[in-house]
Amino acid sequence: QKEVEQNSGPLSVPEGAIASLNCTYSDRGSQSFFWYRQYSGKSPELIMSIYSNGDKEDGRFTAQLNKASQYVSLLIRDSQPSDSATYLCAVNDFRGGSQGNLIFGKGTKLSVKP
Amino acid sequence: KAGVTQTPRYLIKTRGQQVTLSCSPISGHRSVSWYQQTPGQGLQFLFEYFSETQRNKGNFPGRFSGRQFSNSRSEMNVSTLELGDSALYLCASSLSVGNTGELFFGEGSRLTVL
Repeated sequence: QKEVEQNSGPLSVPEGAIASLNCTYSDRGSQSFFWYRQYSGKSPELIMSIYSNGDKEDGRFTAQLNKASQYVSLLIRDSQPSDSATYLCAVNDFRGGSQGNLIFGKGTKLSVKP
Repeated sequence: KAGVTQTPRYLIKTRGQQVTLSCSPISGHRSVSWYQQTPGQGLQFLFEYFSETQRNKGNFPGRFSGRQFSNSRSEMNVSTLELGDSALYLCASSLSVGNTGELFFGEGSRLTVL
C-alpha cells in the first residue's frame, strides 16, 4: 500500500514566522511531488510542484525534496493569517501512464496567529 | 480561462438511490480524474479518464463508475447509495502532456446520503 504521511497538526505559528510542513512517502518509484492548499469548505489548490532533488522557490513558498530520504517539505516564509489552511502533500508514480492518480496525505492544518 | 466546473454542487439522496455527477474540465485539458474526500480517509482516487478511456482506477467497489465524452466532459455514477458514500466528490483535470501530474480541482459536489 503506497502511503503519504503528514503530521495532522494543528501547526500554529505567529504571523511573520516561518511555517515548516513535512511529508514522507513510501514508494521509491514516486516521480512528482505536490503541495496543495485547501481552505475550509473549498477545494484543493495547487501551490507547488517539485520533480527533482533540492529546493524550489516560488515567492514566499519553498518546496524541498530528498528522494533518498523519501521526504518532501514546504516552507512558508513571512506567514500570514491568510495562509491558515490545510496543506496536502501528494505524490504521483505515473503507474500505467496515469497523470491523474495522486496519492494524498491527510493534510496538516496550519494556523497563523496575528 | 474557466476552471473546472462541477454540477450539482450539493445534493441529498437516500440509501439505495443512485446519483450522477458531472464535470467539465479546463479547456484543452484531456485528462479528468475523480476523487472522494471524507474527514476520515482524506482524498482518495476513484478513477482517471483520458480520451474517453479509463486509464486508472482506485480501490472502490463496482458501484462507482464513470465515463468521459469526446469533448472531455466526464460523469461519475454511484449506484445503490450507502450512508458511507456521503462525501465531497472532486473532479480534477490536467493537460496530460509530459509526466507532470499537475491537477486542477473543481469546487466539488457534496453528496449527503440519508
